[in-house]
Amino acid sequence: TQLLEQSPQFLSIQEGENLTVYCNSSSVFSSLQWYRQEPGEGPVLLVTVVTGGEVKKLKRLTFQFGDARKDSSLHITAAQTGDTGLYLCAAWGSGGSNYKLTFGKGTLLTVNP
Amino acid sequence: KAGVTQTPRYLIKTRGQQVTLSCSPISGHRSVSWYQQTPGQGLQFLFEYFSETQRNKGNFPGRFSGRQFSNSRSEMNVSTLELGDSALYLCASGQQNNEQFFGPGTRLTVL
Repeated sequence: TQLLEQSPQFLSIQEGENLTVYCNSSSVFSSLQWYRQEPGEGPVLLVTVVTGGEVKKLKRLTFQFGDARKDSSLHITAAQTGDTGLYLCAAWGSGGSNYKLTFGKGTLLTVNP
Repeated sequence: KAGVTQTPRYLIKTRGQQVTLSCSPISGHRSVSWYQQTPGQGLQFLFEYFSETQRNKGNFPGRFSGRQFSNSRSEMNVSTLELGDSALYLCASGQQNNEQFFGPGTRLTVL
């Protein structure tokens, strides 16, 4: 069973600060996804990273996939209050666990004005 | 294109009762997955259906069951409810092993 460990679990920062959250595993993934969930809503996909060492940017968000495809990070530059939410990494299973998306427990980010 | 819809949005039940939750996927999506979200365990996979067939199941007791209809709509059922079943139940639809589109969830409270 693949396990995704996210850190930190909670993060509270001031608007304008930078931050990085991490997603680690002992398993190798063919791809890894990041979702953001806001209160009262379901998660929404932010990005999918596929290639080891890949870096993807989405405005102020930068996603990196580790060279060994076992870990990923999300860096937010100059955080805004609108970035507040639960950030989840997720990976699809393989073999007998196809069609199963496993999530980390998430990083709850609060950006204060 | 309409998103994933879930009904009801909120539900209060007592221990021992059963509950049925409904999910309508995005038009054209044939895969529907269900997840349970709690503060302690996070988002946990329940099961996935494609063309009315369950293709994968998570580590939940047999009290949790589901089905999918020919129009891709799906229902999940929880029998003999326990206090620990209180959670947000999320449904997601998608195509292949790609992006999952989530509904807003059903908040179940078991008293």
